[in-house]
Amino acid sequence: GEDVEQSLFLSVREGDSSVINCTYTDSSSTYLYWYKQEPGAGLQLLTYIFSNMDMKQDQRLTVLLNKKDTHLSRRIADTQTGDSAIYFCAESIRRDSSYKLIFGSGTRLLVRP
Amino acid sequence: DGGITQSPKYLFRKEGQNVTLSCEQNLNHDAMYWYRQDPGQGLRLIYYSQIVNDFQKGDIAEGYSVSREKKESFPLTVTSAQKNPTAFYLCASSIDRGRAYNEQFFGPGTRLTVL
Repeated sequence: GEDVEQSLFLSVREGDSSVINCTYTDSSSTYLYWYKQEPGAGLQLLTYIFSNMDMKQDQRLTVLLNKKDTHLSRRIADTQTGDSAIYFCAESIRRDSSYKLIFGSGTRLLVRP
Repeated sequence: DGGITQSPKYLFRKEGQNVTLSCEQNLNHDAMYWYRQDPGQGLRLIYYSQIVNDFQKGDIAEGYSVSREKKESFPLTVTSAQKNPTAFYLCASSIDRGRAYNEQFFGPGTRLTVL
């Protein structure tokens, strides 16, 4: 099936780490993405990870991929109020001769001062 | 600057009227997409186009129509047949759909409200 699952809401205190998890169902997914959406705006790519990688790190952002369990997570260290947004996980799957993105429902992150 | 533009940002429609949402990109991308976003439901694909003069239905195409006469433009018409059109509509583009890495670039969105 084609389904990407995320929890709907997460609240953390400023300065803490925030972890958002995602479960996808297609183990043949090639790339997985994290997008960020600020209120009333479009989505912006935060990062991506190729399926043969376990981890990717960029400054405060760490992405972990467990391909065996089809589980993806994104951790932000020292979370700031500016990180408050909706975060979407997406997987790229091959269908026929092309690839499509399947998005999760999004996790709304609220960072409390 | 390259990017995707959508207009208008806010749109109000009376019941029974058709309305067209604009989407333009200058990224030279072949593929373009329309998504609908409702609270707590993420993004649902309405239509997509892989090339000029070609488009395919997505998961929720009923009540919508599109055209792709130019590479840069992919307008979406919300018809009176769409039973619940109030939503946030997002347009996106990608280089093409034949690549495993197919990052999609999104426009700022149009919020449609039916009065």
